[in-house]
Amino acid sequence: DIQMTQSPSTLSASVGDRVAITCRASQSIGSWVAWYQQKPGKAPKLLIYMASSLEDGIPSRFSGSGSGTEFTLTISSLQPDDFATYHCQQWHSWTFGQGTKVEIK
Amino acid sequence: QITLKESGPTLVKPTQTLTLTCTFSGFSLSATGVGVGWIRQPPGKALEWLALIFWDDDKRYSPSLKNRLTITKDTSENQVVLTMTNLDPVDTATYYCAHRPSISASGKAGFDYWGQGTLVTVSS
Repeated sequence: DIQMTQSPSTLSASVGDRVAITCRASQSIGSWVAWYQQKPGKAPKLLIYMASSLEDGIPSRFSGSGSGTEFTLTISSLQPDDFATYHCQQWHSWTFGQGTKVEIK
Repeated sequence: QITLKESGPTLVKPTQTLTLTCTFSGFSLSATGVGVGWIRQPPGKALEWLALIFWDDDKRYSPSLKNRLTITKDTSENQVVLTMTNLDPVDTATYYCAHRPSISASGKAGFDYWGQGTLVTVSS
């Protein structure tokens, strides 16, 4: 079973900051990673698929990178609407990371 | 427009069996490559993938829960049903169903549409 280790668990940042969240897979999974944003009481929203492809309608300040075992979600300039929890998911056997809460500093 | 909605009991007693239904519209589960998955999230905790059923009736389960889960589909009714046996309070969670597009058709490996979720509490 492939494990996804996500870090950090919490990230404190200010509007305008560049932030990065990392997921590490327990074995190589190519580019089979998706990233989601989730707000309290809501279902997750797909942001990135295949490690770096931006889902339709998602702002270009979100980007994804990586392959193999190391993956990163970057928000280039944090906006007020971006304070949320972010999840990675690997698409070999569909397990999720533990989530990263991005909170206001 | 694709929509999904989960339905089922909100309160289940320990040791009982949970049956959840995902009713969807805007896509066909007989279309090549399409799937529907179930994911849950205990209060304040991480997402956990549970099961996935594909257009060709291929089924995949979380290894840690495989012995307790059954996923089925009714293509004519546009429904997917998840059954979980021997419920325990640790199974208290919001349960989501989600659409898995055809990767070959869309290039998209991700759950792109989700239901609103349904909170299931396991308690005596």
